[in-house]
Amino acid sequence: GAGVSQTPSNKVTEKGKYVELRCDPISGHTALYWYRQSLGQGPEFLIYFQGTGAADDSGLPNDRFFAVRPEGSVSTLKIQRTERGDSAVYLCASARGTTGNEQFFGPGTRLTVL
Amino acid sequence: GEDVEQSLFLSVREGDSSVINCTYTDSSSTYLYWYKQEPGAGLQLLTYIFSNMDMKQDQRLTVLLNKKDKHLSLRIADTQTGDSAIYFCAETGRGSTLGRLYFGRGTQLTVWP
Repeated sequence: GAGVSQTPSNKVTEKGKYVELRCDPISGHTALYWYRQSLGQGPEFLIYFQGTGAADDSGLPNDRFFAVRPEGSVSTLKIQRTERGDSAVYLCASARGTTGNEQFFGPGTRLTVL
Repeated sequence: GEDVEQSLFLSVREGDSSVINCTYTDSSSTYLYWYKQEPGAGLQLLTYIFSNMDMKQDQRLTVLLNKKDKHLSLRIADTQTGDSAIYFCAETGRGSTLGRLYFGRGTQLTVWP
């Protein structure tokens, strides 16, 4: 597609449930990033992939969060046993490479945990 | 981790210049970025500056970098109501965190007609 797309745009779930958030990067972009943006804050890094592998997952807050990119294109961010504190906008970005390459952001998925 | 600080709010009149300021902590950051976020939208890259430059101009946008003071600014000339948005300053990591961006909290720019 022309830009980074994310689905769903909104997700409401109950505490304790499992959710999956999907990111479709720009075709040909090898780097893919996940960020989380809480209300009134800037985006905070979660994880980034170079191809299929997670090059840096040190931003994932705990082991309830996991992300995959099995074919080096689409990525899924998975959150187990959701908590109210997980409510945020989850942003995905892709880039041609890493350093110095513009990260193109998707519109985000707004996750609300009741 | 890296700390990027920005003032939270700025109001200007249409036609005036806006200056948004940012301080960062990592003097070895390779690139520094300005992103714009409109309500309900993702982040849009406005401009960036390489760390060996001290100024970059792009149409109405001027970026100034003072490496000694770790200070970055974005000047928007002839500010329009359509420029109303949140502006984020961001720096790259280094070493094992090279690929990621560290963002400030954002400056809400309001432009009054």
